[in-house]
Amino acid sequence: DGGITQSPKYLFRKEGQNVTLSCEQNLNHDAMYWYRQDPGQGLRLIYYSQIVNDFQKGDIAEGYSVSREKKESFPLTVTSAQKNPTAFYLCASSIKQGVDQPQHFGDGTRLSIL
Amino acid sequence: GENVEQHPSTLSVQEGDSAVIKCTYSDSASNYFPWYKQELGKGPQLIIDIRSNVGEKKDQRIAVTLNKTAKHFSLHITETQPEDSAVYFCAASPGGNQFYFGTGTSLTVIP
Repeated sequence: DGGITQSPKYLFRKEGQNVTLSCEQNLNHDAMYWYRQDPGQGLRLIYYSQIVNDFQKGDIAEGYSVSREKKESFPLTVTSAQKNPTAFYLCASSIKQGVDQPQHFGDGTRLSIL
Repeated sequence: GENVEQHPSTLSVQEGDSAVIKCTYSDSASNYFPWYKQELGKGPQLIIDIRSNVGEKKDQRIAVTLNKTAKHFSLHITETQPEDSAVYFCAASPGGNQFYFGTGTSLTVIP
């Protein structure tokens, strides 16, 4: 089945440690996104990518980094500079730029601090 | 940029009753409005969407209405069932793969 796979489902970070969240899609979508979800705040955009080897900052990019070396993959690194990383992280994709189609979401990664 | 407001934040209804969730948006360029349902521990799933050239769309027990003049759109769920209990998000898109989300409505359907 086509879809978006996020891993791991749960992740723990120690102080000063960088961690990487995986997102893979087999929908042949051009655009991919990372959102952070906190209770009562909806979805906030961290980074998005419209095409391979290109990405843009969203509203809350500080303390995060991404790469888009392959169309199928858009990993998110939560760096030690992100002082409050505890949240539910959602990856999404959509078909291509300029076409009004919905985003498809993975089932998320819950990140906690040890 | 676009600002999407969603109300109410929580909603409880008796099984069989209707539920209505309302959203407003600020950017008149927004022309695509999807609605998502998120169950606990899962990612949001698209349940219905509407484009700006349509005023209403229905899919079985779910309907969405759009008033472009007033910049608001609403989700209507009729004959609610316990499995409808979830968090619902509205979103607005002005195109270019840009999406702006409301803060979510936690719906509880009481058997």
